[in-house]
Amino acid sequence: DIQMTQSPSSLSASVGDRITITCRASQSISTYLNWYQQKPGKAPKVLIYAVSNLQSGVPSRFSGSGSGTDFTLTISSLQPEDFATYYCQESHSSPLTFGGGTKVEIK
Amino acid sequence: QVQLQESGPGLVKPSQTLSLTCTASGGSISTGGYHWSWIRQHPRKGLEWIGYIYYSGSTYYNPSLQSRVTISIDTSRNQFSLKLTSVTAADTAVYYCARVDRSMPYNWFDPWGQGTLVTVSS
Repeated sequence: DIQMTQSPSSLSASVGDRITITCRASQSISTYLNWYQQKPGKAPKVLIYAVSNLQSGVPSRFSGSGSGTDFTLTISSLQPEDFATYYCQESHSSPLTFGGGTKVEIK
Repeated sequence: QVQLQESGPGLVKPSQTLSLTCTASGGSISTGGYHWSWIRQHPRKGLEWIGYIYYSGSTYYNPSLQSRVTISIDTSRNQFSLKLTSVTAADTAVYYCARVDRSMPYNWFDPWGQGTLVTVSS
């Protein structure tokens, strides 16, 4: 199985901050990397697929980059509704696996 | 657009079988082009892909659960189901159903059901 490691596991930030979350794969996954946002009590929602493609309706302050084993999710200017937990997910091979999550909290 | 809704018992006894159903509305699960998936999330922990099924009945399971999992589909009811046998407390989790677009190689899950908590306890 491909292991997905996210860092940090949590971070505190203020509205308007730029934040970056990192996801590292245990082996190369090319560009088979998706990002999700999950709010408490809700199902995850896809933000970005194939590293950098924004799902329809996702604000442009979200962006993704990377290839191979190292990937990042960036929020350019954190908004109140962005405080949530973020997960990466690889789709290179079976079984599909997720990162452990990064919780973004209000400072 | 398709919406998904999980249903089933919220409490299962150890060693018994967990059974859940996902009902799709707003679209047919037999039109092809999608995998219909189950994912679970252990309390305060991350996400684990369980497996998925195509409308033809072809299934793909996580090897870590393969010996205990069966996913089936009922196109006449627009539903697909999960059975997990010999459950233990480690199977306590929120179970989600979700869809994967087969036309794209990147296998992202969208949409998701709201999730249902299943607790394994005597």
